[in-house]
Amino acid sequence: EAGVTQFPSHSVIEKGQTVTLRCDPISGHDNLYWYRRVMGKEIKFLLHFVKESKQDESGMPNNRFLAERTGGTYSTLKVQPAELEDSGVYFCASSQLRGHTEAFFGQGTRLTVV
Amino acid sequence: AQSVTQLGSHVSVSEGALVLLRCNYSSSVPPYLFWYVQYPNQGLQLLLKYTSAATLVKGINGFEAEFKKSETSFHLTKPSAHMSDAAEYFCAVSGYNKLIFGAGTRLAVHP
Repeated sequence: EAGVTQFPSHSVIEKGQTVTLRCDPISGHDNLYWYRRVMGKEIKFLLHFVKESKQDESGMPNNRFLAERTGGTYSTLKVQPAELEDSGVYFCASSQLRGHTEAFFGQGTRLTVV
Repeated sequence: AQSVTQLGSHVSVSEGALVLLRCNYSSSVPPYLFWYVQYPNQGLQLLLKYTSAATLVKGINGFEAEFKKSETSFHLTKPSAHMSDAAEYFCAVSGYNKLIFGAGTRLAVHP
């Protein structure tokens, strides 16, 4: 069974450009989470989808970030325009049940904004 | 509000020595607690979790953690470190539909 897949694995973009990160959850997992780790700091929650609906987006930093999950399958996280402080590692996780007792994380996307 | 504090951003041990990574939590409700590991160039992998069953939890790769309510701690241990244990370790507490992570502890294992 495939795990949670994220791509790209790395992305280097210039300040002001747009980047779209993608997460493919484990098949059948209705719950999908995005997290971010800014360099040297703790991993922080961004948002939570149940199927295609946003359940909690309290962790989204600002309106330059837009997450979607059309059809309740894969999710995208778009940053537009990117700023230097957006650099970090973006993790996606999925679970069949709510909560994280059975959540699986992807390998993350390392975003560098220069 | 829930929070996690990991004491020591870097820990270094000799191969074969005891590994002890410290985690203290704060939670207003009975917590679910987790330890994750991130090996170089890999994603987050669940080591073990506490979900209010046994207070001593055994995980993968010989790791275990003990939930101590009186001390609000969930320290991670391994009796004998192996070179392959070198990685970054994260303690987390489960909030309402989200995980609250500590800042991480990077474990170095030297010969």
